[in-house]
Amino acid sequence: DAGVIQSPRHEVTEMGQEVTLRCKPISGHDYLFWYRQTMMRGLELLIYFNNNVPIDDSGMPEDRFSAKMPNASFSTLKIQPSEPRDSAVYFCAAGSGDRNEQFFGPGTRLTVL
Amino acid sequence: GNSVTQMEGPVTLSEEAFLTINCTYTATGYPSLFWYVQYPGEGLQLLLKATKADDKGSNKGFEATYRKETTSFHLEKGSVQVSDSAVYFCALNGAGSYQLTFGKGTKLSVIP
Repeated sequence: DAGVIQSPRHEVTEMGQEVTLRCKPISGHDYLFWYRQTMMRGLELLIYFNNNVPIDDSGMPEDRFSAKMPNASFSTLKIQPSEPRDSAVYFCAAGSGDRNEQFFGPGTRLTVL
Repeated sequence: GNSVTQMEGPVTLSEEAFLTINCTYTATGYPSLFWYVQYPGEGLQLLLKATKADDKGSNKGFEATYRKETTSFHLEKGSVQVSDSAVYFCALNGAGSYQLTFGKGTKLSVIP
């Protein structure tokens, strides 16, 4: 298995533009997590899904952020409109019913100018 | 709510030195405890875990013991290598929860 795949690895955009981050989780893992990492705030859980259904989105910072999981092999995190303070590394992670491990993707480094 | 506090870095050690990174937690019930490692430019990887009191997690020469009486899960390694240079995160998930709560991370640099 290739592990969790995220794209793009790097994204540079201008303030006000729409940004879409993509994640392909590990097959057979029914939990998917989106995290944001910054120097100031560390790792923050934004939202997580179980069997493609959003379970807890209390970490989503505001309405500009949205996430979807249309099927078990694909999820997106969208920011519209983007702002400079959204600059961060965004990670997707997969987990299973054995909740004692999450497998992280390599992350997407987002820079909003 | 749950929280994890780990020692602030950065930590700089010479090769073959002894490593301790302190981690304490606050949680209700009986959480599972983890150490994750993040190498430059990569995502986090599970290093070791412990699921109940007095359990010792170990991997790649690293160890940590789940101490419920002191609510701690300190990471140790007897002899560090340059390749251990990374950021180390202590984390927990509470009983019945699928969410991980992370500490701020401790950056370790090992010099030859």
